[in-house]
Amino acid sequence: KNEVEQSPQNLTAQEGEFITINCSYSVGISALHWLQQHPGGGIVSLFMLSSGKKKHGRLIATINIQEKHSSLHITASHPRDSAVYICAVGGGADGLTFGKGTHLIIQP
Amino acid sequence: KAGVTQTPRYLIKTRGQQVTLSCSPISGHRSVSWYQQTPGQGLQFLFEYFSETQRNKGNFPGRFSGRQFSNSRSEMNVSTLELGDSALYLCASSLVDNYEQYFGPGTRLTVT
Repeated sequence: KNEVEQSPQNLTAQEGEFITINCSYSVGISALHWLQQHPGGGIVSLFMLSSGKKKHGRLIATINIQEKHSSLHITASHPRDSAVYICAVGGGADGLTFGKGTHLIIQP
Repeated sequence: KAGVTQTPRYLIKTRGQQVTLSCSPISGHRSVSWYQQTPGQGLQFLFEYFSETQRNKGNFPGRFSGRQFSNSRSEMNVSTLELGDSALYLCASSLVDNYEQYFGPGTRLTVT
């Protein structure tokens, strides 16, 4: 069974700061996901990675398969980035295994 | 293209009752997964359906069951509700064996 660890659990930063959230997992995977959840519950998929690096706007996700580690970066953070960011692995018939999430607050 | 829809959005039930939640996937998506989110346990995988077949189930008691219809719509059922079943229930759809999942808004179940 894969174990997914995220850090930090909570993060408060000032608007404009560069944000990094880390995720590590215990067993080799087919895909790693970064998800965003706003108050109210809806989950949005930000990235799905199996290798390398992906970028979408101010968000960047990287994965190191050998080290079983992934990072999510937010550049020029903004209060609207405040949300819970969740790392998950797997998918398909096995479903996703989730980390506990990182509560991010960006203060103006 | 319409997103994943879930009904109802909110539900209040009493201990011992049963409940059925519904999920309509994105058109063309044939795989539907269900997840439970609680403050204590976080997000946990319940089960996954493809082509009306349950392919996998998470570590949940038999009170939790589901099914998928020929149009890929899925339902999950919880019988003999317990207080601990209070949670946000999310479904997600995907193209078969494409790991990217699209989540619905969830059904918030409160058991009193």
